[in-house]
Amino acid sequence: SQQGEEDPQALSIQEGENATMNCSYKTSINNLQWYRQNSGRGLVHLILIRSNEREKHSGRLRVTLDTSKKSSSLLITASRAADTASYFCATVSRAAGNKLTFGGGTRVLVKP
Amino acid sequence: GAGVSQTPSNKVTEKGKYVELRCDPISGHTALYWYRQSLGQGPEFLIYFQGTGAADDSGLPNDRFFAVRPEGSVSTLKIQRTERGDSAVYLCASSFGPINEQFFGPGTRLTVL
Repeated sequence: SQQGEEDPQALSIQEGENATMNCSYKTSINNLQWYRQNSGRGLVHLILIRSNEREKHSGRLRVTLDTSKKSSSLLITASRAADTASYFCATVSRAAGNKLTFGGGTRVLVKP
Repeated sequence: GAGVSQTPSNKVTEKGKYVELRCDPISGHTALYWYRQSLGQGPEFLIYFQGTGAADDSGLPNDRFFAVRPEGSVSTLKIQRTERGDSAVYLCASSFGPINEQFFGPGTRLTVL
């Protein structure tokens, strides 16, 4: 079963615009991670945010975490065509045996 | 350094056949995971090894699926009597521990005809 649910399921933007996607989850977590996947193959780890953190940055990426609402957001600023990919949130929780539980993903298309 | 590698990259088999999928984790990573991803879905957990032992196999869908990691490094996912519903991309990942960042391989695309 999938714990995280991403919203929107798909997003189409112009190069240079910002892209925001959200993730909601159900149980208490240890951490939440965001991954990118190109062409349905290997996933690339983007950011890990722990349950006691509220915001993290990495380059053009900004992740927020609101444990009271059980939600997270990923913001990609100044998007590029190369950012076209599927983005997944994944949670790690003791209740789930400390393994990654993925959401269904947001498919992002950045048009040049 | 070398990342996680998986072989084969593609496997086409007939219904009822036996297949083995191999994963070579990053050297030094004690934790190894198998996931299955169907088209348009997120990866779904199958099994997690800590060292040589399966710490959590709760995601294996049925007893046709089995995985081993005999020396705590390379792992093999074995599927017996394959069914068309087993068609998916099988992803392997490794990490230093269960709550850390996981590094994924490129996956094996399994097609059961």
